[in-house]
Amino acid sequence: DQQVKQNSPSLSVQEGRISILNCDYTNSMFDYFLWYKKYPAEGPTFLISISSIKDKNEDGRFTVFLNKSAKHLSLHIVPSQPGDSAVYFCAAPHTGNQFYFGTGTSLTVIP
Amino acid sequence: DAGITQSPRHKVTETGTPVTLRCHQTENHRYMYWYRQDPGHGLRLIHYSYGVKDTDKGEVSDGYSVSRSKTEDFLLTLESATSSQTSVYFCAISEARTGGDYGYTFGSGTRLTVV
Repeated sequence: DQQVKQNSPSLSVQEGRISILNCDYTNSMFDYFLWYKKYPAEGPTFLISISSIKDKNEDGRFTVFLNKSAKHLSLHIVPSQPGDSAVYFCAAPHTGNQFYFGTGTSLTVIP
Repeated sequence: DAGITQSPRHKVTETGTPVTLRCHQTENHRYMYWYRQDPGHGLRLIHYSYGVKDTDKGEVSDGYSVSRSKTEDFLLTLESATSSQTSVYFCAISEARTGGDYGYTFGSGTRLTVV
Protein backbone atom coordinates (compact mmCIF):
# COMPACT_ATOMS: atom_id res chain seq x y z
CA ASP A 1 0.00 0.00 0.00
CA GLN A 2 1.44 3.33 -1.09
CA GLN A 3 2.06 5.52 1.92
CA VAL A 4 3.14 8.40 -0.31
CA LYS A 5 1.32 9.00 -3.57
CA GLN A 6 2.01 11.13 -6.59
CA ASN A 7 -1.04 10.82 -8.78
CA SER A 8 0.26 12.75 -11.77
CA PRO A 9 2.87 10.73 -13.69
CA SER A 10 3.71 13.69 -15.91
CA LEU A 11 3.33 17.45 -16.20
CA SER A 12 4.17 19.88 -19.00
CA VAL A 13 4.60 23.60 -18.36
CA GLN A 14 5.72 26.54 -20.47
CA GLU A 15 8.99 28.17 -19.55
CA GLY A 16 8.46 31.06 -17.15
CA ARG A 17 5.18 29.72 -15.78
CA ILE A 18 4.57 28.01 -12.46
CA SER A 19 4.97 24.26 -12.06
CA ILE A 20 2.97 22.63 -9.28
CA LEU A 21 3.74 19.05 -8.33
CA ASN A 22 1.51 17.31 -5.84
CA CYS A 23 1.99 14.58 -3.27
CA ASP A 24 -0.48 12.93 -0.89
CA TYR A 25 0.28 10.78 2.11
CA THR A 26 -1.73 8.46 4.29
CA ASN A 27 0.02 8.44 7.66
CA SER A 28 -0.76 11.45 9.82
CA MET A 29 2.28 10.61 11.97
CA PHE A 30 4.68 11.63 9.20
CA ASP A 31 6.49 14.72 10.45
CA TYR A 32 9.04 15.42 7.76
CA PHE A 33 8.94 15.41 3.99
CA LEU A 34 11.48 15.76 1.22
CA TRP A 35 11.50 16.34 -2.50
CA TYR A 36 14.12 14.80 -4.73
CA LYS A 37 14.89 15.64 -8.33
CA LYS A 38 16.21 13.11 -10.81
CA TYR A 39 17.74 13.64 -14.21
CA PRO A 40 18.10 10.73 -16.66
CA ALA A 41 21.12 8.51 -16.01
CA GLU A 42 21.77 10.18 -12.66
CA GLY A 43 20.82 9.41 -9.08
CA PRO A 44 18.11 11.42 -7.32
CA THR A 45 19.36 14.57 -5.61
CA PHE A 46 17.89 16.33 -2.62
CA LEU A 47 15.88 19.42 -3.53
CA ILE A 48 13.97 20.74 -0.52
CA SER A 49 12.43 19.53 2.72
CA ILE A 50 9.74 20.59 5.16
CA SER A 51 9.03 19.76 8.76
CA SER A 52 5.44 19.30 9.91
CA ILE A 53 5.80 22.23 12.29
CA LYS A 54 5.83 24.47 9.22
CA ASP A 55 3.35 24.89 6.41
CA LYS A 56 5.79 26.40 3.94
CA ASN A 57 9.49 26.23 3.13
CA GLU A 58 11.13 28.25 0.40
CA ASP A 59 14.47 27.93 -1.34
CA GLY A 60 14.94 30.23 -4.27
CA ARG A 61 12.51 29.30 -7.02
CA PHE A 62 11.31 26.25 -5.10
CA THR A 63 8.63 26.34 -2.43
CA VAL A 64 7.05 23.39 -0.68
CA PHE A 65 3.63 23.77 0.96
CA LEU A 66 2.29 21.36 3.54
CA ASN A 67 -1.40 20.95 4.36
CA LYS A 68 -1.49 18.56 7.30
CA SER A 69 -5.27 18.38 7.56
CA ALA A 70 -5.48 17.26 3.95
CA LYS A 71 -2.31 15.14 4.17
CA HIS A 72 -1.07 16.90 1.10
CA LEU A 73 2.08 18.63 0.05
CA SER A 74 2.96 20.45 -3.11
CA LEU A 75 6.14 21.70 -4.74
CA HIS A 76 5.94 25.00 -6.60
CA ILE A 77 8.61 26.03 -9.07
CA VAL A 78 8.46 29.68 -10.13
CA PRO A 79 9.48 30.56 -12.75
CA SER A 80 9.96 27.21 -14.42
CA GLN A 81 13.07 26.76 -16.53
CA PRO A 82 13.97 24.10 -19.13
CA GLY A 83 16.67 22.82 -16.77
CA ASP A 84 13.93 21.92 -14.30
CA SER A 85 12.79 19.14 -16.63
CA ALA A 86 13.29 16.03 -14.52
CA VAL A 87 11.45 13.45 -12.45
CA TYR A 88 10.45 14.67 -9.00
CA PHE A 89 9.90 12.33 -6.07
CA CYS A 90 8.35 13.19 -2.74
CA ALA A 91 9.37 11.16 0.30
CA ALA A 92 8.47 10.70 3.95
CA PRO A 93 10.39 8.88 6.69
CA HIS A 94 9.57 5.31 7.55
CA THR A 95 10.89 3.71 10.74
CA GLY A 96 14.51 4.28 11.55
CA ASN A 97 16.34 5.93 8.71
CA GLN A 98 14.18 4.63 5.87
CA PHE A 99 12.03 6.70 3.55
CA TYR A 100 8.86 6.00 1.62
CA PHE A 101 8.99 7.43 -1.89
CA GLY A 102 6.20 8.37 -4.24
CA THR A 103 6.08 7.06 -7.78
CA GLY A 104 7.42 10.29 -9.23
CA THR A 105 6.18 13.03 -11.53
CA SER A 106 8.01 13.72 -14.77
CA LEU A 107 8.13 17.46 -15.38
CA THR A 108 8.78 18.85 -18.85
CA VAL A 109 9.37 22.58 -19.16
CA ILE A 110 8.77 23.70 -22.73
CA PRO A 111 11.01 26.54 -23.97
CA ASP B 1 29.57 15.14 -1.34
CA ALA B 2 29.04 11.74 0.30
CA GLY B 3 31.44 9.98 -2.09
CA ILE B 4 29.17 7.15 -3.24
CA THR B 5 30.33 5.03 -6.15
CA GLN B 6 28.28 2.30 -7.78
CA SER B 7 29.73 -0.34 -10.05
CA PRO B 8 29.15 -1.36 -12.70
CA ARG B 9 27.14 1.49 -14.22
CA HIS B 10 25.60 -0.81 -16.81
CA LYS B 11 25.24 -4.57 -16.90
CA VAL B 12 23.55 -7.00 -19.26
CA THR B 13 23.23 -10.53 -17.98
CA GLU B 14 21.41 -13.72 -18.86
CA THR B 15 18.49 -15.19 -16.98
CA GLY B 16 19.62 -17.55 -14.25
CA THR B 17 23.09 -16.11 -13.77
CA PRO B 18 24.26 -14.56 -10.49
CA VAL B 19 24.98 -10.83 -10.47
CA THR B 20 26.62 -8.66 -7.83
CA LEU B 21 26.35 -4.90 -7.71
CA ARG B 22 28.72 -2.88 -5.58
CA CYS B 23 28.24 0.31 -3.63
CA HIS B 24 31.27 2.03 -2.14
CA GLN B 25 31.24 5.05 0.15
CA THR B 26 34.17 7.01 1.49
CA GLU B 27 32.74 8.84 4.51
CA ASN B 28 32.05 6.13 7.08
CA HIS B 29 28.27 6.41 6.98
CA ARG B 30 26.53 3.81 9.10
CA TYR B 31 23.33 3.39 7.09
CA MET B 32 23.36 2.19 3.50
CA TYR B 33 20.46 1.22 1.26
CA TRP B 34 19.69 -0.48 -2.02
CA TYR B 35 16.67 0.74 -4.02
CA ARG B 36 15.31 -0.15 -7.40
CA GLN B 37 13.53 2.30 -9.66
CA ASP B 38 10.85 1.11 -12.04
CA PRO B 39 8.24 3.03 -14.06
CA GLY B 40 5.01 3.34 -12.14
CA HIS B 41 6.61 2.16 -8.91
CA GLY B 42 9.04 4.91 -8.05
CA LEU B 43 11.85 3.98 -5.69
CA ARG B 44 11.41 0.79 -3.68
CA LEU B 45 13.67 -0.41 -0.91
CA ILE B 46 15.32 -3.79 -1.45
CA HIS B 47 17.64 -4.15 1.55
CA TYR B 48 19.40 -1.86 3.93
CA SER B 49 22.30 -2.01 6.36
CA TYR B 50 22.77 -0.31 9.72
CA GLY B 51 26.34 -1.44 10.28
CA VAL B 52 28.95 -4.01 9.37
CA LYS B 53 27.22 -7.38 9.05
CA ASP B 54 23.92 -5.79 10.12
CA THR B 55 21.36 -5.90 7.34
CA ASP B 56 17.62 -6.17 6.96
CA LYS B 57 15.00 -6.62 4.28
CA GLY B 58 13.02 -3.93 2.55
CA GLU B 59 9.69 -4.16 0.74
CA VAL B 60 10.98 -5.94 -2.40
CA SER B 61 13.74 -8.21 -1.06
CA ASP B 62 12.72 -11.52 -2.70
CA GLY B 63 15.45 -12.76 -5.04
CA TYR B 64 18.08 -10.45 -3.56
CA SER B 65 20.72 -10.80 -0.89
CA VAL B 66 23.18 -8.30 0.53
CA SER B 67 26.43 -8.28 2.41
CA ARG B 68 28.38 -5.67 4.29
CA SER B 69 31.74 -6.92 5.49
CA LYS B 70 33.29 -3.43 5.62
CA THR B 71 31.74 -0.08 6.48
CA GLU B 72 32.51 1.31 3.05
CA ASP B 73 31.10 -1.49 0.88
CA PHE B 74 27.52 -2.71 0.50
CA LEU B 75 27.00 -5.46 -2.04
CA LEU B 76 23.70 -6.47 -3.66
CA THR B 77 23.51 -9.95 -5.16
CA LEU B 78 20.90 -11.38 -7.45
CA GLU B 79 21.37 -15.09 -6.86
CA SER B 80 19.69 -16.14 -10.12
CA ALA B 81 18.70 -13.17 -12.23
CA THR B 82 15.22 -13.00 -13.74
CA SER B 83 13.75 -10.64 -16.30
CA SER B 84 11.63 -9.01 -13.59
CA GLN B 85 14.87 -7.79 -12.03
CA THR B 86 15.65 -5.65 -15.02
CA SER B 87 15.73 -2.24 -13.41
CA VAL B 88 17.85 0.69 -12.34
CA TYR B 89 19.44 0.10 -8.96
CA PHE B 90 20.44 2.92 -6.63
CA CYS B 91 22.57 2.81 -3.55
CA ALA B 92 22.02 5.47 -0.91
CA ILE B 93 23.44 6.60 2.40
CA SER B 94 21.60 8.44 5.13
CA GLU B 95 23.15 11.63 6.42
CA ALA B 96 22.32 14.73 8.36
CA ARG B 97 22.31 18.06 6.57
CA THR B 98 22.78 21.59 7.75
CA GLY B 99 19.86 23.11 9.63
CA GLY B 100 18.74 19.82 11.12
CA ASP B 101 17.57 18.26 7.88
CA TYR B 102 18.40 14.69 7.11
CA GLY B 103 17.90 12.49 4.12
CA TYR B 104 19.50 10.28 1.55
CA THR B 105 22.35 10.87 -0.82
CA PHE B 106 22.16 8.54 -3.79
CA GLY B 107 24.75 7.03 -6.05
CA SER B 108 24.54 7.41 -9.82
CA GLY B 109 22.81 4.08 -10.32
CA THR B 110 23.39 0.77 -12.09
CA ARG B 111 21.24 -0.07 -15.08
CA LEU B 112 20.76 -3.85 -15.11
CA THR B 113 19.21 -5.69 -18.02
CA VAL B 114 18.38 -9.38 -17.69
CA VAL B 115 17.88 -11.08 -21.07
